[in-house]
Amino acid sequence: EPEVTQTPSHQVTQMGQEVILRCVPISNHLYFYWYRQILGQKVEFLVSFYNNEISEKSEIFDDQFSVERPDGSNFTLKIRSTKLEDSAMYFCAGAGRTQYSPLHFGNGTRLTVT
Amino acid sequence: DAKTTQPPSMDCAEGRAANLPCNHSTISGNEYVYWYRQIHSQGPQYIIHGLKNNETNEMASLIITEDRKSSTLILPHATLRDTAVYYCIVRPWNTGANSKLTFGKGITLSVRP
Repeated sequence: EPEVTQTPSHQVTQMGQEVILRCVPISNHLYFYWYRQILGQKVEFLVSFYNNEISEKSEIFDDQFSVERPDGSNFTLKIRSTKLEDSAMYFCAGAGRTQYSPLHFGNGTRLTVT
Repeated sequence: DAKTTQPPSMDCAEGRAANLPCNHSTISGNEYVYWYRQIHSQGPQYIIHGLKNNETNEMASLIITEDRKSSTLILPHATLRDTAVYYCIVRPWNTGANSKLTFGKGITLSVRP
């Protein structure tokens, strides 16, 4: 069964540094998402992406965050200047063609900001 | 905010059916019910979804009441590997785009040997 692949599995960075989290969605998916989960808290929506533009974003997704799908396969989340509170699991997800297609998630990147 | 209510936790014996309840009394006509689970900080895993009819797949069955205000996820023969947090989510489908999922706290299912 096809999977959503995220790299790296664990990223450690210093406060103020830029990080890029990478995701390879399932090939026939058209809609893409980033979520995050701070340790012990709920899974939170960050942003959705369709047709090479952002469809929706949450209040968390401020100017420090950006997404892109530069080559039609990889889907990336960039955090320009990391803060301690950005430490979390970041999950990528994709969904197929219909409006009710379920989201399929990767196993996440654990980001630790020191 | 999540539009569903789930008990915080439940347990069941290995090999028995696990029946996980969910209330969604304010569900709208254009909203599906989705179930996901999350095993120990792995990515959420899709289980099943339905609109108004009962649904079954290789993982589970979903029973939706006639008034659609509540549903039950049934794992017919629970195993230790089914220990996880289970999320019941309502999600609109006809908004012109593939809409996001909004996760609540879910229910922690513990399967005991």
